[in-house]
Amino acid sequence: DAKTTQPPSMDCAEGRAANLPCNHSTISGNEYVYWYRQIHSQGPQYIIHGLKNNETNEMASLIITEDRKSSTLILPHATLRDTAVYYCIVSPKGANSKLTFGKGITLSVRP
Amino acid sequence: GAVVSQHPSRVICKSGTSVKIECRSLDFQATTMFWYRQFPKQSLMLMATSNEGSKATYEQGVEKDKFLINHASLTLSTLTVTSAHPEDSSFYICSAAHLGGGNQPQHFGDGTRLSIL
Repeated sequence: DAKTTQPPSMDCAEGRAANLPCNHSTISGNEYVYWYRQIHSQGPQYIIHGLKNNETNEMASLIITEDRKSSTLILPHATLRDTAVYYCIVSPKGANSKLTFGKGITLSVRP
Repeated sequence: GAVVSQHPSRVICKSGTSVKIECRSLDFQATTMFWYRQFPKQSLMLMATSNEGSKATYEQGVEKDKFLINHASLTLSTLTVTSAHPEDSSFYICSAAHLGGGNQPQHFGDGTRLSIL
């Protein structure tokens, strides 16, 4: 079973920030928070990951609460191409750890 | 960024045929690759973990004799669906983990859509 919970869907206007929430209340101390997205009929695309500090890259920002029980993925200026299913996954450190995908959240960016 | 290539992207074949899917890490070495299956409107389900130079580890309920995995080099893993039947029709996706592991994320291929007639 997935160890994260996400709302099933949300939408936002093009050009606005999209804030995607994720709860992971049972996260362990050695588990990272990973975000991937899947555009229809493609493989998942890595977005960002973090342990406890906030992280930012060219795609998004990841805000992790101090107790690490929840996080928010922020797409600062959503475009139509950001429409996808976004998966929040917790997994132990190390790329050799398997990822358990939940149902994710479907983000629809409207014009 | 890291690139993982899957081939073929789409296969349509008759029932009873065996189908081989390749997963390659193009710009990094991967000791571990993962194979997933995704049915329509569902999430990805892990099938097996492919380890270079050793036997694959299968998830509960996945038949190892049905889904043969070979990871003969640090850049290539193959999944063979043996004697495929219509219920095996699905979207098969691989991911690869960097040899160094550590803090590196997994990267996914673009998937193979398998249709068994």
